[in-house]
Amino acid sequence: EVQLLESGGGLVQPGGSLRLSCAASGFTFSNYALTWVRQAPGKGLEWVSAISGSGDGTHYADSVKGRFTISRDFSKSTMYLQMHSLTAEDTAVYYCAKEPISDYVGGWDAFEIWGQGTMVTVSS
Amino acid sequence: DIVMTQSPLSLPVTLGQPASISCRSSQSLVYSDGNTYLNWFQQRPGQSPRRLIYKVSNRDSGVPDRFSGSGSGTDFTLKISRVEAEDVGVYYCMQGTHWPPTFGQGTKVEIK
Repeated sequence: EVQLLESGGGLVQPGGSLRLSCAASGFTFSNYALTWVRQAPGKGLEWVSAISGSGDGTHYADSVKGRFTISRDFSKSTMYLQMHSLTAEDTAVYYCAKEPISDYVGGWDAFEIWGQGTMVTVSS
Repeated sequence: DIVMTQSPLSLPVTLGQPASISCRSSQSLVYSDGNTYLNWFQQRPGQSPRRLIYKVSNRDSGVPDRFSGSGSGTDFTLKISRVEAEDVGVYYCMQGTHWPPTFGQGTKVEIK
């Protein structure tokens, strides 16, 4: 069974940093792209960042470009999202999701399986 | 970015009755390979989103057949043939044809 378990969320001050993790199991980790989607309290879903199965291809929403870095550790079957210069607008539940593809080379059936999410609160 | 517009944003329904949600995109979602990458997601209260439908009309594994998707080009519809109590939640359409992927605002389905 495919499982995704996010962790690392918490309370951080504006301007601070945080690293989220997404531990994957139940599939061959390097064969599938992974993505982060966030949801601000009471709001809709927003795609944040994605990484190819090989880790060579990374993509970011304009709202986080230059502040967030996505990566994956194949030895731990874990994806990360390193977040810097956080603002109140980054407050959200962050979900990781597995894709049915290995790389983003065209249209795709996105966000096949989701984790349970981890809450990030940016506040002083 | 492609704008996805859902209607209605709130949908009170009677148990056992049908429900329909509309989703329109600001550009055609037909990709160069001929496929249309339009998905529907369900988010029950307090839960993570779950994909229900991919490529307009294909149900994911375990999704009841009372859920159906249709449409083409820029206009799409999610239908629930007979609403059950477990269908309460927010439904999102989402496009994976154009980069970056974008979601609709969500439609909240509640029981009257």
